[in-house]
Amino acid sequence: KAGVTQTPRYLIKTRGQQVTLSCSPISGHRSVSWYQQTPGQGLQFLFEYFSETQRNKGNFPGRFSGRQFSNSRSEMNVSTLELGDSALYLCASSLDRPSYNEQFFGPGTRLTVL
Amino acid sequence: KNEVEQSPQNLTAQEGEFITINCSYSVGISALHWLQQHPGGGIVSLFMLSSGKKKHGRLIATINIQEKHSSLHITASHPRDSAVYICAVGTNFGNEKLTFGTGTRLTIIP
Repeated sequence: KAGVTQTPRYLIKTRGQQVTLSCSPISGHRSVSWYQQTPGQGLQFLFEYFSETQRNKGNFPGRFSGRQFSNSRSEMNVSTLELGDSALYLCASSLDRPSYNEQFFGPGTRLTVL
Repeated sequence: KNEVEQSPQNLTAQEGEFITINCSYSVGISALHWLQQHPGGGIVSLFMLSSGKKKHGRLIATINIQEKHSSLHITASHPRDSAVYICAVGTNFGNEKLTFGTGTRLTIIP
């Protein structure tokens, strides 16, 4: 069974631009969660999608958004990029609720904002 | 105070030693996850547990719900165990999410 894939793996943007990251979950997994990892804040929950609906959201500004398609693939978008958005963005898929289902993580997208 | 506290932050040990990493949390949880992150960023789920003890190879995870505490043990440690180990708790009261500890960086010296 193929693992979770994320594209692109690396991205360099400048302040003010926007970016779209993609995540393809394991086949059969309907829950996709997104996380941001920085050296200062560690891993932080962004949002979770299930069956094309955002089910939960973390404490991030509205510049961070996402969506999920009918095949469970998910995208996240960050608009008006700031230097502080430089981070490793990870997605994880699971059969259902991430709090009590094993999470399978993708390799991450490393975003650098200049 | 963070909802999830890990100790120690850094741990260096000799190959073969018995390793213990601790995780304490302050909220009610639905489950606790132990994750492993190698250099380069990839994260692997090691255990998910809500009670008792689980074992996989040389790894053992325990949880005490009453004391809000979990431990990850590695027996006969090996240099390939060098990684960051992250504890995460799943909460489902209101806004469901995983909350992460800051991680323990483990280095095993041959």
